[in-house]
Amino acid sequence: NAGVTQTPKFRILKIGQSMTLQCTQDMNHNYMYWYRQDPGMGLKLIYYSVGAGITDKGEVPNGYNVSRSTTEDFPLRLELAAPSQTSVYFCASSYEGGGSPLHFGNGTRLTVT
Amino acid sequence: GEDVEQSLFLSVREGDSSVINCTYTDSSSTYLYWYKQEPGAGLQLLTYIFSNMDMKQDQRLTVLLNKKDKHLSLRIADTQTGDSAIYFCAENSNTGKLIFGQGTTLQVKP
Repeated sequence: NAGVTQTPKFRILKIGQSMTLQCTQDMNHNYMYWYRQDPGMGLKLIYYSVGAGITDKGEVPNGYNVSRSTTEDFPLRLELAAPSQTSVYFCASSYEGGGSPLHFGNGTRLTVT
Repeated sequence: GEDVEQSLFLSVREGDSSVINCTYTDSSSTYLYWYKQEPGAGLQLLTYIFSNMDMKQDQRLTVLLNKKDKHLSLRIADTQTGDSAIYFCAENSNTGKLIFGQGTTLQVKP
């Protein structure tokens, strides 16, 4: 039972570089989410998607982009990485919105220097 | 605006009860959740309560909800070292998305 899989687990970027964080789920969930977790700050929603072809901004979307071409995949793109994007990134999915529980991946720890 | 507040740290001795508290602001939330995060891992759903309930018990876990005060608590009975983790409270906002608290780090001393 794979659930939500994120790659890579760790990455170090130089300022101005770009990268894509991969996320895939095998539960046929419609909803997918990207959060970032900073110490003492909880989780902040970056982007979310309610189905293939549909994406929307969360609380902290600046500096990121997403796409949802399939139900399974929801990659997060960082263009022109900045030190403020140093964080742990979590992808999550749920069957539907509202009260449906979220299933999380194990996270990607990103450092921008 | 929507906000969820938790204390950041709690330390207990093994075998004692732990009580983790949370306050939220969106009175229209239909579900309130507790998630557990172990080191190096993502969040796992621990338990949840529907907003028309006052209490939910699940083995060693008891969730209490005071809607009037917008206060949620998680009690862990007979706390074990394996319960050491970060516990997040979350509410589903009127936009359908989850709003998380900052997380409470529970330290269990042998």
